[in-house]
Amino acid sequence: DGGITQSPKYLFRKEGQNVTLSCEQNLNHDAMYWYRQDPGQGLRLIYYSQIVNDFQKGDIAEGYSVSREKKESFPLTVTSAQKNPTAFYLCASSSFRSRGYGYTFGSGTRLTVV
Amino acid sequence: AQKVTQAQTEISVVEKEDVTLDCVYETRDTTYYLFWYKQPPSGELVFLIRRNSFDEQNEISGRYSWNFQKSTSSFNFTITASQVVDSAVYFCALSFMYSGGGADGLTFGKGTHLIIQP
Repeated sequence: DGGITQSPKYLFRKEGQNVTLSCEQNLNHDAMYWYRQDPGQGLRLIYYSQIVNDFQKGDIAEGYSVSREKKESFPLTVTSAQKNPTAFYLCASSSFRSRGYGYTFGSGTRLTVV
Repeated sequence: AQKVTQAQTEISVVEKEDVTLDCVYETRDTTYYLFWYKQPPSGELVFLIRRNSFDEQNEISGRYSWNFQKSTSSFNFTITASQVVDSAVYFCALSFMYSGGGADGLTFGKGTHLIIQP
């Protein structure tokens, strides 16, 4: 079945360390996105990419970095510059070419920085 | 800038009651998409409905119905005869629609936590 795989589901890191969250899709979607969710908050857009080798900052890009070297993959690095990295991170992809267009979300990675 | 407001932070009803979740949006774009998602405790987002700005027809899917009104910039969601399994956080979201039909990233409301008591 096609879908988005985020790994790991839970991630613990020490303060000051960079950490990379994985996101892979086999849906052949062009666009991919990273969102952050804090308790009691909606999802906020961190970065998005409409095509390979191109990406744009979302609303809260500071302290994060991404790459899009392959269509299927859109990893997110949470750097030590991110002041409050503990959150739930959701990856998504989208296609609006066919009738069933829309966004598909992964199951998320819960990052805890101690 | 786009904005989505879900004024109801939490709603608690007894099973079998009807419940309406409000969503008001702001956008300067004339073409856009509106969505509703359900987020159970597991955290995964479950797609419920998509509407584009051209289509103001209301939609019914089983116990779920949606009322889209451009005049008031609202896209409300009603659950009829609620069930305990409907308990979750529900998000309304908006995205800009490109001329070719593609879309930008989603702008989410803060969500409504729906509690259905048995």
